[in-house]
Amino acid sequence: GDSVTQMEGPVTLSEEAFLTINCTYTATGYPSLFWYVQYPGEGLQLLLKATKADDKGSNKGFEATYRKETTSFHLEKGSVQVSDSAVYFCALSDNEGIGTNAGKSTFGDGTTLTVKP
Amino acid sequence: DAGITQSPRYKITETGRQVTLMCHQTWSHSYMFWYRQDLGHGLRLIYYSAAADITDKGEVPDGYVVSRSKTENFPLTLESATRSQTSVYFCASRLDNEQFFGPGTRLTVL
Repeated sequence: GDSVTQMEGPVTLSEEAFLTINCTYTATGYPSLFWYVQYPGEGLQLLLKATKADDKGSNKGFEATYRKETTSFHLEKGSVQVSDSAVYFCALSDNEGIGTNAGKSTFGDGTTLTVKP
Repeated sequence: DAGITQSPRYKITETGRQVTLMCHQTWSHSYMFWYRQDLGHGLRLIYYSAAADITDKGEVPDGYVVSRSKTENFPLTLESATRSQTSVYFCASRLDNEQFFGPGTRLTVL
């Protein structure tokens, strides 16, 4: 079945440092890929997404590129801020109506990021 | 405000009691989901629903019951709560492969 493996945390960085959180996936079809962010005490919210190979998703200075050849969707940000401290989840979603994964998303275990001033 | 609401936000109960967690969406998204989030386990899917009156088990359904008589509501019931069900529960809906999450319910079973 589908699976998502993301970099184990926690990750601690100083403000303005470069961030990379690795994410790789296995999927039988052609999934859409997502990064969700969870701030303390809140639910997950979409950070960015990419729906096909070579697409780049971007939002709030974060970027991730859908790499089909390496089955990866690594999250990057050039200069993190204290306000970026959160848990980041990589996820994939198969096309609706295909097999037992129809309609469902598969999430990684989450990576906790702490940014210190 | 439009979105997903969950109630209660916090609940403390005792082993053996029945507990119902409520989830309501202001959209008309077909798919809805219940997850639990525990340290070391990430998000685990409990149940999901493709439409009103259509529900199916997820990864960890034992001890839980769901119903969906209306598109906008998707309650989750713990029939006889156990300590292992202490967790944070998230409800979500889906549109175009993107999931929209509620704020969560923190449940403690003593």
